[in-house]
Amino acid sequence: DADVTQTPRNRITKTGKRIMLECSQTKGHDRMYWYRQDPGLGLRLIYYSFDVKDINKGEISDGYSVSRQAQAKFSLSLESAIPNQTALYFCATSGSTGQETQYFGPGTRLLVL
Amino acid sequence: AQSVTQPDIHITVSEGASLELRCNYSYGATPYLFWYVQSPGQGLQLLLKYFSGDTLVQGIKGFEAEFKRSQSSFNLRKPSVHWSDAAEYFCAVAPFSWGKLQFGAGTQVVVTP
Repeated sequence: DADVTQTPRNRITKTGKRIMLECSQTKGHDRMYWYRQDPGLGLRLIYYSFDVKDINKGEISDGYSVSRQAQAKFSLSLESAIPNQTALYFCATSGSTGQETQYFGPGTRLLVL
Repeated sequence: AQSVTQPDIHITVSEGASLELRCNYSYGATPYLFWYVQSPGQGLQLLLKYFSGDTLVQGIKGFEAEFKRSQSSFNLRKPSVHWSDAAEYFCAVAPFSWGKLQFGAGTQVVVTP
């Protein structure tokens, strides 16, 4: 079984809809991250969480919110989806030392019509 | 401003030929440096990382990278590419003891027979 899983893997939604992307990990890591990937822009950090009670905005958090339900679960919500949120979304996890490798999930491809 | 630059958006290489992907960063101090690979439809996988010490770093799949402080570069190399190396490659940096990654825009590698 994969260490970092994301659901759904693909999602089509309409403008204005609320959607949630979920991430679960079995690596026992404290730190979790949400990124979005757009062609030509690489990956950009949306939110990150260093533990269950510590959630922080990344460089592009507008229009997104997150919830850290447990050490192993970190969800990303789009409160009112818009077309420019169409992207590939990745969840990642890492240990706590700062030297830890980030491990990525397989991604969720989101299309907002 | 802090930045990570991958000058080559797209590289085409023949199978068996050598490959070099460039990465330059702009940070106040030497950050932690990473190379990730994203195969089609997959998440990101770490190839190698540099924190300190020997400036030539060996990674998985026959890749290596060389850190050059004077040039603020961390270029990735492989002596002989295989068709399975066709993928998108991302350079990433993280400030010391922070863990938050900043990614370059990526280089798409195409391998021809």
